[in-house]
Amino acid sequence: SQQGEEDPQALSIQEGENATMNCSYKTSINNLQWYRQNSGRGLVHLILIRSNEREKHSGRLRVTLDTSKKSSSLLITASRAADTASYFCATDERPGNTPLVFGKGTRLSVIA
Amino acid sequence: ETGVTQTPRHLVMGMTNKKSLKCEQHLGHNAMYWYKQSAKKPLELMFVYNFKEQTENNSVPSRFSPECPNSSHLFLHLHTLQPEDSALYLCASSHPVGKYYGYTFGSGTRLTVV
Repeated sequence: SQQGEEDPQALSIQEGENATMNCSYKTSINNLQWYRQNSGRGLVHLILIRSNEREKHSGRLRVTLDTSKKSSSLLITASRAADTASYFCATDERPGNTPLVFGKGTRLSVIA
Repeated sequence: ETGVTQTPRHLVMGMTNKKSLKCEQHLGHNAMYWYKQSAKKPLELMFVYNFKEQTENNSVPSRFSPECPNSSHLFLHLHTLQPEDSALYLCASSHPVGKYYGYTFGSGTRLTVV
């Protein structure tokens, strides 16, 4: 079953601009993760944020988590053409040990 | 390369064929997964193996049969598939299910059923 849902479905920006993608989910979670997928390839893990964390940074990536609203955002600063890809959020459900469930993703296009 | 290797990269098969997809990892991970990715759909979890034991079968039709002989290898055996089974099949591995680790994905097998 689908847990996370990304918004927008597609986003097109100019190189150098910031890109923000949002994810909403339905149940209580242990952690939320963001992944990137280049066309026709496998997914690459970007960042993991635990349910007791509110913000996390990794290079040009900033992730926030609001468990009261069951939502997360991924911000990519100073975007580059190489950031063009699909971005997915994934969650596991609490309680218990459950595998990740992914959303449909946001397709980001960065125009040089 | 991510450390998770999937073969073949592309596969075209008829509906009466039998074929197998292979996934291999040497990352020391104990959990392995099969996901199906179809156009305009979320990734669908198919099977989960944790320490070589199948812990999840997400209502997958019996024409898909997984096999996990050891923690490093995972197979997906295919027989009498339907055209709607055409998709990108992704294998992933991680430390045990339920821990705070990301997954490492292979590049996938693009399957076309004709």
